[in-house]
Amino acid sequence: SQQGEEDPQALSIQEGENATMNCSYKTSINNLQWYRQNSGRGLVHLILIRSNEREKHSGRLRVTLDTSKKSSSLLITASRAADTASYFCATGSSGNTPLVFGKGTRLSVIA
Amino acid sequence: GAGVSQSPSNKVTEKGKDVELRCDPISGHTALYWYRQSLGQGLEFLIYFQGNSAPDKSGLPSDRFSAERTGGSVSTLTIQRTQQEDSAVYLCASSLVSGTRDGYTFGSGTRLTVV
Repeated sequence: SQQGEEDPQALSIQEGENATMNCSYKTSINNLQWYRQNSGRGLVHLILIRSNEREKHSGRLRVTLDTSKKSSSLLITASRAADTASYFCATGSSGNTPLVFGKGTRLSVIA
Repeated sequence: GAGVSQSPSNKVTEKGKDVELRCDPISGHTALYWYRQSLGQGLEFLIYFQGNSAPDKSGLPSDRFSAERTGGSVSTLTIQRTQQEDSAVYLCASSLVSGTRDGYTFGSGTRLTVV
């Protein structure tokens, strides 16, 4: 079963604009992670935010977590054509269970 | 190795045949995971190996699916009597720490097509 649900399913923006993707989940979590997937193959880990953190930055990425609303957002600033990919959130619960992935947001950045 | 390696990268098989998919995780990673992804969909968990503990097989869709991990390293996912609905990309990942406390490193996947 899928825990996280990303919103929107698809997003198209111009190069230079910011892209915001949201993830909602249902049960309590230990951490939430964001991954990127190019061309339907392997996923690349972007960032991990723990349940006691509210915001985290990595380069042009900013992730927020609101555990009271069971939601997270991923912001990509100053987007580039190379950011075109699918982005997935994944939730981690107790220590020895695997990550549960959402269905992803397809981001298209138009040059 | 430097990353997670999966082979073959593509596999076309006839309905009813058995297939074996291989995953070579990052050296020293204790946990290994198999997921599959149907076209345009999210990742569906299949099975999870953590160190020497019994694997978590709760995601395997039927008894046609099995997996093993030899010597705590290489893993093989076997699908017997393949069906067309088995067509998907099969992704393997490994992590240094078991469970969800660490990010996963994924391989490039095996695209399985059952004709």
